[in-house]
This record gives sequence, structure tokens and C-alpha cells, in this order.
Amino acid sequence: AQTVTQSQPEMSVQEAETVTLSCTYDTSESDYYLFWYKQPPSRQMILVIRQEAYKQQNATENRFSVNFQKAAKSFSLKISDSQLGDAAMYFCAYRSASSGSEKLVFGKGTKLTVNP
Amino acid sequence: ETGVTQTPRHLVMGMTNKKSLKCEQHLGHNAMYWYKQSAKKPLELMFVYNFKEQTENNSVPSRFSPECPNSSHLFLHLHTLQPEDSALYLCASSQEIAGGPWNEQFFGPGTRLTVL
Repeated sequence: AQTVTQSQPEMSVQEAETVTLSCTYDTSESDYYLFWYKQPPSRQMILVIRQEAYKQQNATENRFSVNFQKAAKSFSLKISDSQLGDAAMYFCAYRSASSGSEKLVFGKGTKLTVNP
Repeated sequence: ETGVTQTPRHLVMGMTNKKSLKCEQHLGHNAMYWYKQSAKKPLELMFVYNFKEQTENNSVPSRFSPECPNSSHLFLHLHTLQPEDSALYLCASSQEIAGGPWNEQFFGPGTRLTVL
């Protein structure tokens, strides 16, 4: 079974600075998807960024980018120019690319605090 | 209403009560999910419905009973719960295409359940 590990329960960053959240995963599959979800204090979970395992290029979405290291099974999230609105729980998630598999496997999350 | 809505937002119930959680998606999706979010634990997938058919039951106790009358509505019927069932219950939906690429899961705001 696949597992996702987020080793940092909490992180903090100064406004306008850069922070990196770590995620590692374990799988025997070669094709899969990886995601970072954000859950602000209002609780609605939203997708921040995604990565297809077959793509070597790291995904970027504005201030958010990932460092995907397939061999190391590592998928870290970098937030540049941090803003107060970035404060939230961040969850790393894995999904198999196998047909019929809709299941997302989540890590325990990292609580990010942004200091003004 | 837009996106994924859940009612009630908060629920307190005794162990002998019977209650139901409701989820409605306004996105035209064909798959819906129930997740359980407990403190300091990863999100746990409970049930998946695809085209109204249950495709996954992640070893959930029978005191949780899902119902999906149509592709827009999902219920979670609760009876004789235990205090350890207290958690945030999240609903999500996605558009799944057989053999197609993954599609983003959109989450509702959750129902905070407390079992006394």
C-alpha cells in the first residue's frame, strides 16, 4: 500500500520570504500523480499544485513550485514571496494512475504559519 | 450554491442517536467521496461512489452507512457512534472518465462531528 509522509508537523515563515515543505512517499508503481492541497482555517480544502509522475519537469503555479525527485520519492513544495493568506494546513497526497483508482492517500499535513 | 456544500456544519450527538450528514455538489461531477479527518492523523478515505455505485469501502465500521441517491447528493447515516468517531467529515467530488486522466477532487467545508 502507498504511504505519504510529511515530516514537518509545523513550519513558519516571514512574510515575503520563501519556505519549503517536505513530502516523501512510498509506492511500487511507476505511474501516479502527486498533489499539494491547502486547508485554510475556514476548512475548505483546495488544490494548490499537481505533478504527473511521468513528467520530469517540475510543476509551477505562480508562487508555488515543486521539487519532484522520482528516484528519491520526494515531492517538496516551495512557496515564494509568502503572504499572510498562505497560512494553512498543507497536505501532500498521492493517487495511483491505475484505471479505476480514484483514491487519494494523504500525509498528516504541515501547519504553515506566516509571520508579518 | 456553488461547488460542494455540506450540512450541517456542526453536529453534536449522543452515542445512541441517529443522524445524517448531507453533501451536495453543484459541479456536474459523477464521483463523490467521504473522508474522515481526525486530529494528528492523515485524511482517511471512507467511501467512494462513481456513477452512484459504491466503488470503495475502506473498511469502515457498519455504524457509518453511506447513501448516494443520485450523482449530486451523498449522505452519511450515523448510528450508535463512539466518542472516537468525533472528527471532521469531508465530502468531495470529481469528474471521473474511464481510462482518462485524473481529475481534481473538490472538497466541501466539512461537518465537525462531536460524539458525547
